[in-house]
Order: sequence, then structure tokens, then C-alpha cells
Amino acid sequence: QVQLVESGGGLVKPGGSLRLSCATSGFRLSDYFMSWIRQAPGKGLEWISYISGGSDTIHYADSVKGRFTISRDNAKNLVYLQMNNLRADDTAVYYCTRANFGFDYWGEGAQVTVSS
Amino acid sequence: EIVLTQSPGTLSLSPGERATLSCRASQTVTNNNIAWYQQKPGQAPRFLITGASTWAAGTPDRFIGSGSGTDFTLTISRLEPEDFAVYYCQQYGSSAWTFGQGTKVEI
Repeated sequence: QVQLVESGGGLVKPGGSLRLSCATSGFRLSDYFMSWIRQAPGKGLEWISYISGGSDTIHYADSVKGRFTISRDNAKNLVYLQMNNLRADDTAVYYCTRANFGFDYWGEGAQVTVSS
Repeated sequence: EIVLTQSPGTLSLSPGERATLSCRASQTVTNNNIAWYQQKPGQAPRFLITGASTWAAGTPDRFIGSGSGTDFTLTISRLEPEDFAVYYCQQYGSSAWTFGQGTKVEI
């Protein structure tokens, strides 16, 4: 069955960096767009980035453009989110999702906390 | 970017009642590319509806999506106890995907 498992979250100081990984299984990763979505404490869902199967199409929300980079390694069944210059308002649970005319599968999420 | 506005913010209903949730887009959503999700506390969202009106796998038929253009609706025909949750609409019709702010359905 389809599984998405995020890792790499944690506590980081403002201005710091983190890289999230999403390990996928149960489907051919190269066939799908993948996306990252986050949810700040007590808030709603925010789409932040997606990447096409061949990495030729990538988009970011304005809130993370220039600071975050999405990438993928289809051979290793991994999707990444490199997060630089982190700010307090980046504190959230980050979900890895499969994009298939909507987000049909979600990971359990990785907590990222930005605090001094 | 397309802004999605959901209303009401909170819907207070009883089991067995009908729930009607609205999602209004700031501009026409291409191909009615609207999805709906359900989220319960401490859980990842669950995919309910794609293409404004098509059930995702495993979605009970009491969840009905409708609408076109800029106005979309999720109707829960008869609320079951497990349906009390937060619901989000989302558009994937433009290059920047966006979510609505959510509607909480509470008892």
C-alpha cells in the first residue's frame, strides 16, 4: 500500500536550515507530482511547493520562495524539502503528499519548530 | 493566486442533520479543479472529493461535492458522529495551489 514517511524535523534557531525527507513506497514515484503542505499550530493547511515526476515543473508559495527548495530522487523513492533562512512563522507540521488531482495520500507529518 | 473563502467558519449541527459547506474562489477555477478534505484533531487530512464532485476512493456517498466556476459546495447529507471535523477545500487549477481556511463542523 502507499506509504509516505517524513523525517528530518526538529528544533532550529531563526536563520537556520533543515532538510526534510519523505520516504515513499507502494507506488512508482516517477509517475506522480509530489507536494509539501504545512500546518502551523492551531491554523489551517498551507500548500508550499510541488514538483513534477521528472522534476521539470516546480512551484512554490510566495511565503517560501527563495528560501525553500523541493527536489526528488526517484531511484531512491525520496522527496526532499530544503529549508533555509528559517523564521518563527515557519513553525508547523510539514506533510509530504502525493498530488493526484488533489492530495490523495499524506504522511503523518514532521514537526519543525523555529525558536531561539 | 486564487483565494478560496470558506463559509461558515463553524457549523453547529446534530447527528442526522444535513451540513452545507461553501467554498468561493476569487476567480474561475480551471476545469473545476477543486478538492475537499476532512481533518480530525491530531490526524493528517483525508482526501474526500476531487474534480469538485467525484468521490475519492473510500469516501462515503453521504459526502456530495458540487459547483462550478467560482462557487463550490460540500454537502454531508446526514451527519454521522465521525463526521464532526474540520473541512478544507483546495484548488489545483492554477500553478499556485491554495487551500481555503476551513470550516469546522461541530456538535
